[in-house]
Amino acid sequence: DTGVSQNPRHKITKRGQNVTFRCDPISEHNRLYWYRQTLGQGPEFLTYFQNEAQLEKSRLLSDRFSAERPKGSFSTLEIQRTEQGDSAMYLCASSFSGGRKDTQYFGPGTRLTVL
Amino acid sequence: AQTVTQSQPEMSVQEAETVTLSCTYDTSESNYYLFWYKQPPSRQMILVIRQEAYKQQNATENRFSVNFQKAAKSFSLKISDSQLGDTAMYFCAFMKHAGANSKLTFGKGITLSVRP
Repeated sequence: DTGVSQNPRHKITKRGQNVTFRCDPISEHNRLYWYRQTLGQGPEFLTYFQNEAQLEKSRLLSDRFSAERPKGSFSTLEIQRTEQGDSAMYLCASSFSGGRKDTQYFGPGTRLTVL
Repeated sequence: AQTVTQSQPEMSVQEAETVTLSCTYDTSESNYYLFWYKQPPSRQMILVIRQEAYKQQNATENRFSVNFQKAAKSFSLKISDSQLGDTAMYFCAFMKHAGANSKLTFGKGITLSVRP
């Protein structure tokens, strides 16, 4: 078990471009979360999945954001028509709802810079 | 909605000494969990310690312990025998009881520097 992995680790894009990030959770974890962290702040919840079902989305998640978790394994987060305000660290976490009281384990994050 | 407040933006401690990081929270829930996460510079967030609200006993993990005061809605982290590797940003986080949406609500974090 290698923990939660995220790719790419860094992404630089121009305003208006689309970007997609991938998260691979710990293999037996059925819950997967996306958070956004800006400099000097704590992470903010974006959305979460239980298996393949997306059960909640934050109001932070505008229509330009979409997340999927096909087959309940890896997840992707896509941002369309990126804006400079989207620059942040995007964190993925996973947990097992039947395990040790739903403790979340985080990946290394994808740092997005929008020029 | 839940809120988590970490009012100290930065702290510094001498190696081998003890330091306490403060956290307060606000919730109307009676059953919940509290966490401290550590985020070293340019490295991923890792769990330091967790506390179940229904447990009166304070959680302890090696050099890390908490002082959980449910009535006061206070959850401080004590680091004993501080080490250089403890230098990191520390986040306090709240989670409703497992079974509901178990998203984490984080505070703004505190930057801890351990001086040699």
